[in-house]
Amino acid sequence: EAQVTQNPRYLITVTGKKLTVTCSQNMNHEYMSWYRQDPGLGLRQIYYSMNVEVTDKGDVPEGYKVSRKEKRNFPLILESPSPNQTSLYFCASRGFPHAEQFFGPGTRLTVL
Amino acid sequence: ELKVEQNPLFLSMQEGKNYTIYCNYSTTSDRLYWYRQDPGKSLESLFVLLSNGAVKQEGRLMASLDTKARLSTLHITAAVHDLSATYFCAVDGTSGSRLTFGEGTQLTVNP
Repeated sequence: EAQVTQNPRYLITVTGKKLTVTCSQNMNHEYMSWYRQDPGLGLRQIYYSMNVEVTDKGDVPEGYKVSRKEKRNFPLILESPSPNQTSLYFCASRGFPHAEQFFGPGTRLTVL
Repeated sequence: ELKVEQNPLFLSMQEGKNYTIYCNYSTTSDRLYWYRQDPGKSLESLFVLLSNGAVKQEGRLMASLDTKARLSTLHITAAVHDLSATYFCAVDGTSGSRLTFGEGTQLTVNP
């Protein structure tokens, strides 16, 4: 089944403790993105990647890092999480520019 | 900077009624997407509109795109309770690598 998977689905952590949210897609898509969703703000793009080793900042990249060492994986790294990063995070992928984008199930992160 | 605005943000309607959700965007683009999100769930793709004048229909939902007016509409016909969800529009940037989303329209269909 074609899908985007994320892990973990739920995470509660404390300020400053480094964490990684994994994202994987099995559709051989070139483009992958990370979004955060906050009430009243819709979805905002954090980072995106156009191919292996090619990444760029989205609208809200501060406090996040990404890497794209393999085509299928696009992990999101929070090196020193803060409470304002409490949010619902979505990974997404698309096969080529302007194609339909597929979303993962989401990761609900709480930073205390 | 591309801005996408939806209205209304909240919509409560009765079953059987018709209504339209509007999506305005600020810069030239001819690619617009509509998504549905149920509470606690991910986003589900509804429509992909790729050119001026594009119209797509699925069941009780119909989406259209007017690139000259920078406007897309999502029309709901004879609403049913199952359509209750949050609906997002999103617009592609010129490179095709970034989607900018509207704030979402929370639709509640009452019996």
